[in-house]
Amino acid sequence: GENVEQHPSTLSVQEGDSAVIKCTYSDSASNYFPWYKQELGKRPQLIIDIRSNVGEKKDQRIAVTLNKTAKHFSLHITETQPEDSAVYFCAASSKSNTGFQKLVFGTGTRLLVSP
Amino acid sequence: DSGVTQTPKHLITATGQRVTLRCSPRSGDLSVYWYQQSLDQGLQFLIQYYNGEERAKGNILERFSAQQFPDLHSELNLSSLELGDSALYFCASSPSADSGTGGRIQYFGAGTRLSVL
Repeated sequence: GENVEQHPSTLSVQEGDSAVIKCTYSDSASNYFPWYKQELGKRPQLIIDIRSNVGEKKDQRIAVTLNKTAKHFSLHITETQPEDSAVYFCAASSKSNTGFQKLVFGTGTRLLVSP
Repeated sequence: DSGVTQTPKHLITATGQRVTLRCSPRSGDLSVYWYQQSLDQGLQFLIQYYNGEERAKGNILERFSAQQFPDLHSELNLSSLELGDSALYFCASSPSADSGTGGRIQYFGAGTRLSVL
């Protein structure tokens, strides 16, 4: 089945620095890649997603890049702020044995932004 | 607020017991997904329902079962509970099973925290 690996598991940066989180996936048929942010004790919230027909997508300080050949995708956060501190999960779509899509999540990256 | 409602917020029970977690999807969403998140762990996909029918299965134990009702709300039943079942259980919903722009975006509920003592 699909496997999604996420690195690093923890990331500490200074406010204003950039942060990069990387994920690799195993299913070459994966075509949808969302990123979720989960603050402590809260629900995961979608922050950005990318589909396989696009190589890069930006939304203000957040960008995601996708390399289909290498089967990896990355989240880039620029000008980090303390409120960016959270756990970030990547995910990749994968066809289940019923033919329908499911999401397989990475293990998460705990980002800590220090003032 | 995502529009996905989960009840109860917290549940404390004993080993060997059975509990039912409830999820109401966003208005108009036909798909419901259940995930388990243990302490400091990722999101483990359990099962997906679309318009009342099971669509995809993940690492769901045989002691666990789920269903989606005609009004599209879903219930996750956990039986013969063990200490290791203590976790946050999230429900998510999306407009469709897996097609169309935006059809795959999953919106998460606030979760049910289950503590098995």
